Parts: sequence; C-alpha cells; structure tokens
Amino acid sequence: GAVVSQHPSWVICKSGTSVKIECRSLDFQATTMFWYRQFPKQSLMLMATSNEGSKATYEQGVEKDKFLINHASLTLSTLTVTSAHPEDSSFYICSARDTQGEQFFGPGTRLTVL
Amino acid sequence: GENVEQHPSTLSVQEGDSAVIKCTYSDSASNYFPWYKQELGKGPQLIIDIRSNVGEKKDQRIAVTLNKTAKHFSLHITETQPEDSAVYFCAASTKNRDDKIIFGKGTRLHILP
Repeated sequence: GAVVSQHPSWVICKSGTSVKIECRSLDFQATTMFWYRQFPKQSLMLMATSNEGSKATYEQGVEKDKFLINHASLTLSTLTVTSAHPEDSSFYICSARDTQGEQFFGPGTRLTVL
Repeated sequence: GENVEQHPSTLSVQEGDSAVIKCTYSDSASNYFPWYKQELGKGPQLIIDIRSNVGEKKDQRIAVTLNKTAKHFSLHITETQPEDSAVYFCAASTKNRDDKIIFGKGTRLHILP
C-alpha cells in the first residue's frame, strides 16, 4: 500500500522556539494532505487541509499564524509550530490523499515543549 | 459539520469472544466510513471501510455494518486475539466533497487472556 512518512518521529524543544514537521508521500502524489493533532487518550482532531500550491484551510479554532502549513510539492507538506508552548505538546499526524481519493496516514510526530 | 459519536469508550472481552463497537454520525451527506486501529505511539491504520451504497462488508474476522437511515455503523471483531488489543476509531467522511475524515472519540479494546 501507499506509504506516508513523517519527520521527525519525535522532537523536544524549548518554549518559544519553532518546530517544523515534514509529511511526505513516498510512492504517490498527493494534491491534498491533512494535519491532525492528538492529545493523550483523545481522538484525532483535524487542524487543517493542505492543498499543493495554495493556502491551507484551517479548522475553526486553529490559529493559522501559529501553525504554518506549506505544501510546496505533490509529495511534501510541512507544519511549523511557531513560538511553541507546553500546551502545544501533542502527537501530530498527517494524512495524504492520492489521485483515487484514498487517504493514508503517517506514523505521527510526538512534540514535547519544555 | 459532521459529528461522530462512538461507544463504548473502553471494552474488555475474553480472548476468543466477539467485540462490537458502535458509532453514529450526524451528516446525511457522509458516504464513506473507515475504521482505524491505533497502537500506542503510532499513527492510525485503516482496517476496514464501508461506503454508503453497501450495508455490510466482511474481511476475515472483521465486519462492518451500516444503517444509513438510522445513521449508525458498527465494527464487529470475532474470535478476538491478544494482538487485537488497541484503540479503535470510527470515522465519517464525504468523498468527492472535502474528503475531511471526522473521527469518533475512540474505543480502547482490551483482550483478556
């Protein structure tokens, strides 16, 4: 099946710094990628929809200036958490949609902000 | 927007018995209902899905049913095994519209030896 990778798999950073997370579709092209956040023992909450070559669409309550999304190519989307704070500590998961409309999830990135 | 409710939040079954997880959705336009298994520290993995033009689908020990009228769908796992222990999420999506996948809150399944 199609493979989606995320890098890094985990990251620890100091409060106030910015962190970039990459989401790549390894063997297919993805015009659309989705970013989710999952707090411990909770469900996945959709943060934003990332479309290649255009601005991301954010869900209600998600700050676009804090969570910067760039989808510069058909195989790569990045999420940058700017000025991270401890409450941003979470498991960030991306998914990528192929040309058939099927979505494949990445393995997730655990962010810990000290 | 779509809202997906999932029950129970925790389920313990004896190895070899069956497990059933139930979900409801609110948006009648939803037409795609995937189920995911998530193990600790990993991303969700699709285990089975069903589309709105089908009432039931089976894949070995796993089956899903869909009642469009009632907006209910269920996951059935038979002959449960220790490796079935995980968190299971139901979800709903509208394919060929925005394709957003909206997740239920999850069910933590424990298979007891």
